[in-house]
Amino acid sequence: LAKTTQPISMDSYEGQEVNITCSHNNIATNDYITWYQQFPSQGPRFIIQGYKTKVTNEVASLFIPADRKSSTLSLPRVSLSDTAVYYCLVGDPEYNQGGKLIFGQGTELSVKP
Amino acid sequence: GAVVSQHPSWVICKSGTSVKIECRSLDFQATTMFWYRQFPKQSLMLMATSNEGSKATYEQGVEKDKFLINHASLTLSTLTVTSAHPEDSSFYICSARRTGTRSGNTIYFGEGSWLTVV
Repeated sequence: LAKTTQPISMDSYEGQEVNITCSHNNIATNDYITWYQQFPSQGPRFIIQGYKTKVTNEVASLFIPADRKSSTLSLPRVSLSDTAVYYCLVGDPEYNQGGKLIFGQGTELSVKP
Repeated sequence: GAVVSQHPSWVICKSGTSVKIECRSLDFQATTMFWYRQFPKQSLMLMATSNEGSKATYEQGVEKDKFLINHASLTLSTLTVTSAHPEDSSFYICSARRTGTRSGNTIYFGEGSWLTVV
């Protein structure tokens, strides 16, 4: 399973765009990149997943360069409720993991008014 | 969307007793479920993989005789912490894999269960 490296913490203000970068130098060909959000005393919540280039949904965008050795989660115009821990995970959700997710340290995002 | 429910949300037990935590997939079948433990300000640590109809697979360092896992049906996995001690106090989270699809959102997490051993 590919190891990931993220900043431990980030601070932002309401209304700003937040970009969290994750490094995964040994990502494998079949690996996808998935981001989860976790609030205190809750289970993680799926945010977005991608394989290459750019993926966008109603809550975030995921940018993946051609070499796929890193990825950036972009949260547009954050609000106080976006204060949470964000985890970047790399792996094949279907084949060689079958759903087994290994969580790294995560990035604690603090949004201030 | 798919929901995974854990029960109880929180439990307090006396040292030396056993406590059971349930994980249910409410609207889909899950042949595989996973149990995690999370201490305050730390990341999730995978404890074991729960397989329907067969023995669980434990991660290195996790005592299988202490953390009993039973996955008796396609919608229910239970984690029993036996002879609990204060150091077992933690936030326990389960996840379930929705079979038959290939995308990140096929893995759903429960709300978590707080265990406090006194």
